Amino acid sequence: QLVLTQSPSASASLGASVKLTCTLSSGHSSNTVAWHQHQPEKGPRYLMRLNSDGSQTKGDGIPDRFSGSSSGAERYLTISSLQSEDEADYYCQTWGNGIVVFGGGTKLTVL
Amino acid sequence: QVQLVESGGGVVQPGRSLRLSCAASGFTFSSYGMHWVRQAPGKGLEWVALISYDGNIKYYADSVKGRFTISRDNSKNTLYLQMNGLRADDTAVYYCAKEIASKTPDYWGQGTLVTVSS
Repeated sequence: QLVLTQSPSASASLGASVKLTCTLSSGHSSNTVAWHQHQPEKGPRYLMRLNSDGSQTKGDGIPDRFSGSSSGAERYLTISSLQSEDEADYYCQTWGNGIVVFGGGTKLTVL
Repeated sequence: QVQLVESGGGVVQPGRSLRLSCAASGFTFSSYGMHWVRQAPGKGLEWVALISYDGNIKYYADSVKGRFTISRDNSKNTLYLQMNGLRADDTAVYYCAKEIASKTPDYWGQGTLVTVSS
């Protein structure tokens, strides 16, 4: 079964960096994963697609502060130079076996 | 620029039907697959359905299979979600989203709220 696992919450200070993790279930470690940002009262925003080799394709207008990386079944989203507007829910997402799957989301708090 | 505007949400009684629409502009609608994704109150994003660029291929989440139907009218640049047999756990904000490669949504609408309640 295709499942994406994310930590429910993360926090980091203004100006610092944070690395969010998304883990693919067994047998799906080669899947491409996308990251989406969801701020309150807004529609989600596509950040990037991240391949198993670490190559990435960012969405339009996504700043360089957002980057992705991969290791085995893990897909990471790193946000550097944190700003207050980065406080949001972050979801990873993939596709397989005829369905689209979202992780449970990580709520990022900027301190 | 890409714009997706959902409409058709509202309050509906359990067991009744509702049809959502998503008006698309700023891109060649007929060239892209389209998604519906929802978010129940206090919950995360849940994928609902995906339709291919030409409407010939459709995929559904198990939670809505047999009750919801995704469709599109490429002549009107509009995506639809027909929701039948609505249940309280269908209460959510429903988003439409444009697809890029690998079934990934890359542009999202602002959402429309569906509340199923007696």
